[in-house]
Amino acid sequence: ETGVTQTPRHLVMGMTNKKSLKCEQHLGHNAMYWYKQSAKKPLELMFVYSLEERVENNSVPSRFSPECPNSSHLFLHLHTLQPEDSALYLCASSQDSFGNSNQPQHFGDGTRLSIL
Amino acid sequence: SQQGEEDPQALSIQEGENATMNCSYKTSINNLQWYRQNSGRGLVHLILIRSNEREKHSGRLRVTLDTSKKSSSLLITASRAADTASYFCATGTGANSKLTFGKGITLSVRP
Repeated sequence: ETGVTQTPRHLVMGMTNKKSLKCEQHLGHNAMYWYKQSAKKPLELMFVYSLEERVENNSVPSRFSPECPNSSHLFLHLHTLQPEDSALYLCASSQDSFGNSNQPQHFGDGTRLSIL
Repeated sequence: SQQGEEDPQALSIQEGENATMNCSYKTSINNLQWYRQNSGRGLVHLILIRSNEREKHSGRLRVTLDTSKKSSSLLITASRAADTASYFCATGTGANSKLTFGKGITLSVRP
């Protein structure tokens, strides 16, 4: 148990659907992250939230919309996705107040997303 | 090109042997971290080593950092089948930077 819980674990959706991924951390951390993991590619940082404020948006297409209602919860809203968006989406949290690289990150087990 | 690159891409060893994995990076760092990922799971943090440190240990894990060569190595001693996983290095290049991950090394430990 890592202290970071992601739901659902698996999601299959059509390109016109709207769905949301949820992440919850029980570690009292200040920063939360969304990453995309595709086969044979490095982990791609998508969004960073620090104390509920977005501090990083790595040129992610607008079909991905993050939301951080409080320091324990993070959502990724999905709409009109493309087949190349199929991947494992990982959520992480860390103690670093600004979402920087100075502390270890704690990851959830991810949501395996498949776009039909 | 990416900041951190692991080597080799895949490694297969017999249980009980030592496993050595390497990570090279291009720009100066303030810390380097190693993570493990088991199949179907998220990444688990193993060790963080700061730029002013040369070596750190955690159980059967030993990490070294050579800033002059811009490289790090992760040694797993007396490997076990349960060590089978992907291993990633990640670098932080400054106080206000985000972590950058490599593509990972696939380690297989044969029973």
